[in-house]
Amino acid sequence: AQSVSQHNHHVILSEAASLELGCNYSYGGTVNLFWYVQYPGQHLQLLLKYFSGDPLVKGIKGFEAEFIKSKFSFNLRKPSVQWSDTAEYFCAVITPQVGQGGKLIFGQGTELSVKP
Amino acid sequence: KAGVTQTPRYLIKTRGQQVTLSCSPISGHRSVSWYQQTPGQGLQFLFEYFSETQRNKGNFPGRFSGRQFSNSRSEMNVSTLELGDSALYLCASSSRDRPLTVAYNEQFFGPGTRLTVL
Repeated sequence: AQSVSQHNHHVILSEAASLELGCNYSYGGTVNLFWYVQYPGQHLQLLLKYFSGDPLVKGIKGFEAEFIKSKFSFNLRKPSVQWSDTAEYFCAVITPQVGQGGKLIFGQGTELSVKP
Repeated sequence: KAGVTQTPRYLIKTRGQQVTLSCSPISGHRSVSWYQQTPGQGLQFLFEYFSETQRNKGNFPGRFSGRQFSNSRSEMNVSTLELGDSALYLCASSSRDRPLTVAYNEQFFGPGTRLTVL
């Protein structure tokens, strides 16, 4: 079965520090990859997604992620975090197979705390 | 467009009871997926409905069921509640226009229903 692993459960950074959150998935075939963010008290929102093409994808709020197929990884990065980036971040995959389009498989989540 | 709405936002039940949660998707969206979020297990897929038919199901016991109505609104039901069912239940809708398409359409999430089982 497909699974997603996020390496860090809780990350604490100071403002202006750089961020990298790790995500690995286990599935040998084609996958669609996503990062979602859940700000305190708010809905899950899509940060960015990768389907195909350029493995470096840019999302909202200055976030980007790089898909490395050989490492089954999709790490999230931001060069300089802000206090407002404090949130929980989830990596997710969908396997583009018939009937699987509505099933996101999530990692455990990484809680990011940014100190002002 | 209004977003995905879920009612009620909070529920407190006791073991053995049953509960029904409701989800109204974004207007025009026909696909509704349900997820359970807990601190220990994270976000887990429950099931997906499209055009009133369940299209996919996660690894949850039969106590968890759902349905979808002709207006795409969906309900999920949990019978014989257990303490471990305490969780945030999230609903997401997407604009997929065919149930078996391999294409992905972004899922938009609602605020969730916080269920506490005592």
